[in-house]
Amino acid sequence: AQTVTQSQPEMSVQEAETVTLSCTYDTSESNYYLFWYKQPPSRQMILVIRQEAYKQQNATENRFSVNFQKAAKSFSLKISDSQLGDTAMYFCAFTASQGGSEKLVFGKGTKLTVNP
Amino acid sequence: SAVISQKPSRDICQRGTSLTIQCQVDSQVTMMFWYRQQPGQSLTLIATANQGSEATYESGFVIDKFPISRPNLTFSTLTVSNMSPEDSSIYLCSVEARYYGYTFGSGTRLTVV
Repeated sequence: AQTVTQSQPEMSVQEAETVTLSCTYDTSESNYYLFWYKQPPSRQMILVIRQEAYKQQNATENRFSVNFQKAAKSFSLKISDSQLGDTAMYFCAFTASQGGSEKLVFGKGTKLTVNP
Repeated sequence: SAVISQKPSRDICQRGTSLTIQCQVDSQVTMMFWYRQQPGQSLTLIATANQGSEATYESGFVIDKFPISRPNLTFSTLTVSNMSPEDSSIYLCSVEARYYGYTFGSGTRLTVV
């Protein structure tokens, strides 16, 4: 089965500190894409960062970076210098092929609260 | 990446009625996806819509309950039929942009009373 596991239902961090959200996934494919999405209370799904599985270099986007361990099927998100606006649900996802088509498979999410 | 306009943003509906949700994309896309997000939950794929063919439904979702139209490469609708309070959820459409990350509409918050 193609699944995503986010083992931290909730996390909190102080403003300006660093926090890491964990994600593991299960797939038998060798090439796929991994994503972290942010969903604030406005419910808009916002892409935070993406990673191509065939690239060994970890993706970075400003304060956001990932630690991608392909063999371990791990894809954690690190948020540096946390800001109040980072408060949101964070979903880990990857592209799964099924029956010749492709779809996104999501984890259950981690609720992150940044405290002032 | 594509920009999606999703309407309505929210609605309160009586049980037994139907609601049609629209998504308009600012560019042509091959595949569009419809998701349901129940309160406090993650996103669950309802169906994948290709232009010119029947939508492909995920296990647990049926066409009679969630009919989908895809008349062209920039537009799709999802209807939630014969609604019950259990259908109260956020519904989101999404378009394929594999490398760039899938783009989502702003969501429709549906409450069935």
